[in-house]
Amino acid sequence: DTGVSQNPRHKITKRGQNVTFRCDPISEHNRLYWYRQTLGQGPEFLTYFQNEAQLEKSRLLSDRFSAERPKGSFSTLEIQRTEQGDSAMYLCASSLNAGANVLTFGAGSRLTVL
Amino acid sequence: RKEVEQDPGPFNVPEGATVAFNCTYSNSASQSFFWYRQDCRKEPKLLMSVYSSGNEDGRFTAQLNRASQYISLLIRDSKLSDSATYLCVWDSGGYQKVTFGIGTKLQVIP
Repeated sequence: DTGVSQNPRHKITKRGQNVTFRCDPISEHNRLYWYRQTLGQGPEFLTYFQNEAQLEKSRLLSDRFSAERPKGSFSTLEIQRTEQGDSAMYLCASSLNAGANVLTFGAGSRLTVL
Repeated sequence: RKEVEQDPGPFNVPEGATVAFNCTYSNSASQSFFWYRQDCRKEPKLLMSVYSSGNEDGRFTAQLNRASQYISLLIRDSKLSDSATYLCVWDSGGYQKVTFGIGTKLQVIP
């Protein structure tokens, strides 16, 4: 598989539940990004990793959001105590840390909070 | 001032028309610029990089104006398949994040 893989593709949950999304980047890519996108908006930056190090986290994110990238390979994004406003498409992207920062996106994980 | 200004559209143009989008940015430290294309309910995909000297790829031309802090995308001879949202993207270099604009929606009409 040469692309970015995200799972699950769709998640429906009740308000207050915890959800976790997984992203498997392209194997040789050492940068990994998480974005959130709602209808009519561009992707909104959440956080990104250089290998296993989380280098930046959006100030817009509450403490309910946490991301990890153990061993610098796959990453997980967890949302605790979900709220209806968390409903969105969560996009993962990866890139090589060299030259122009061209991102390759996964197909996304769509979250619906009821 | 917002970090980026991009007209969300929609731009409704007939087939064969020429259409141009601009995107202004406020962070003068921004180093690399790109245009991404996003089809409905799909992930964004790189369309082209943007250079000060201009970048042309078939019917598409991208330009960067650092003095006025904007990037542009010109599409000539529009096709129905060009209908999509076009996102301007920039990277401040180093350990900086990659930031997306709101996107401009283009609808090419038969």
